[in-house]
Amino acid sequence: DGGITQSPKYLFRKEGQNVTLSCEQNLNHDAMYWYRQDPGQGLRLIYYSQIVNDFQKGDIAEGYSVSREKKESFPLTVTSAQKNPTAFYLCASSSGASGNSYEQYFGPGTRLTVT
Amino acid sequence: AQSVTQLGSHVSVSEGALVLLRCNYSSSVPPYLFWYVQYPNQGLQLLLKYTTGATLVKGINGFEAEFKKSETSFHLTKPSAHMSDAAEYFCAVTNMEYGNKLVFGAGTILRVKS
Repeated sequence: DGGITQSPKYLFRKEGQNVTLSCEQNLNHDAMYWYRQDPGQGLRLIYYSQIVNDFQKGDIAEGYSVSREKKESFPLTVTSAQKNPTAFYLCASSSGASGNSYEQYFGPGTRLTVT
Repeated sequence: AQSVTQLGSHVSVSEGALVLLRCNYSSSVPPYLFWYVQYPNQGLQLLLKYTTGATLVKGINGFEAEFKKSETSFHLTKPSAHMSDAAEYFCAVTNMEYGNKLVFGAGTILRVKS
């Protein structure tokens, strides 16, 4: 059963702690993405990766970091430098440059609450 | 630069009534357009997409959208609303120059009244 998994579904952290959100896909997609969703603001791109061992900043990368060591995995670290980290985080993937299709497939999301 | 405007952050319809969710886009080259649906605390699910070819696109759950280049619009419609259609809907755009990055609208929350 192909798809994207994100874990955990809910995550609680104290202010000042770094936290890593997991994203795994078994769709054999080249490209992966991280979005942040806040009420009334749609989805904002944090980081994206079009190929293993390479990634680019999106529109709101400050306070976040990523790695792409394996094709199927794209973890996101929310660092203590992120001023307002409480949000719903969505991971997505697409066939990328190897395909002609531009649609992205989304995971179920992780809701992060920092207090 | 690309952008998407969804008119109306909230839309309310009666069960059985027409659903119309509006989306206007800005793109310097021919766009690829998408509609996604999101149920509470879940990820986004692709409803339909326009890339090339026929401008009237049919999607899942009885939804369809029409690409109108002259109006730079890609409105989403469904002839008869069902209670299960209550969700948030996002329009998104990309193009060949922008690669695989999607630009999303702010979303429209659809409420269906019984």
